[in-house]
Amino acid sequence: SQELEQSPQSLIVQEGKNLTINCTSSKTLYGLYWYKQKYGEGLIFLMMLQKGGEEKSHEKITAKLDEKKQQSSLHITASQPSHAGIYLCGAEGLTDSWGKLQFGAGTQVVVTP
Amino acid sequence: DTGVSQDPRHKITKRGQNVTFRCDPISEHNRLYWYRQTLGQGPEFLTYFQNEAQLEKSRLLSDRFSAERPKGSFSTLEIQRTEQGDSAMYLCASSLPTYSSYEQYFGPGTRLTVT
Repeated sequence: SQELEQSPQSLIVQEGKNLTINCTSSKTLYGLYWYKQKYGEGLIFLMMLQKGGEEKSHEKITAKLDEKKQQSSLHITASQPSHAGIYLCGAEGLTDSWGKLQFGAGTQVVVTP
Repeated sequence: DTGVSQDPRHKITKRGQNVTFRCDPISEHNRLYWYRQTLGQGPEFLTYFQNEAQLEKSRLLSDRFSAERPKGSFSTLEIQRTEQGDSAMYLCASSLPTYSSYEQYFGPGTRLTVT
């Protein structure tokens, strides 16, 4: 079972529009990672958040971790075809061991012309 | 590019056969992880090494699975007597933990199909 819930499961967005993906846990997130995966390929590291209220941006992608450290969001501004793929959130410390990551089921993003 | 590499990229095998996958991590990374991913799901942790020591194994890792990292560099994952349920993408990742981060960098994966 997934201890991280991602929503939505999938979304279709028109090129140029914004989109937001959410990642929620019932437990405190001590390290929250966002990855992107093209179908059938490995994961590409995007950003990592640790502190409550933290926000990081890279190009048109912004990730936030809420103050309670139980929810993170990934926001893409003015989406482009290159943003299509599966976005995964992963967290450490959800069990009693550290180092390993537990992932959500992913959000599939499709960008239409 | 000196990222994480995995070999082979694809493997088709018949049920009951043994298979072995290899992972070469980023050279200065002392931690190496194996994950398994099935369609529509996020990766699930299997095991990880710090240098040559295997520090943790998931309950998902049955007795048919064995992983090694003999010299603290590359790692192998062997599956004996494969079953159709073993069909999945096997992902390797490596990291160099610091006081602030355990960023894991993933390889392209090995897709296993058991017929």
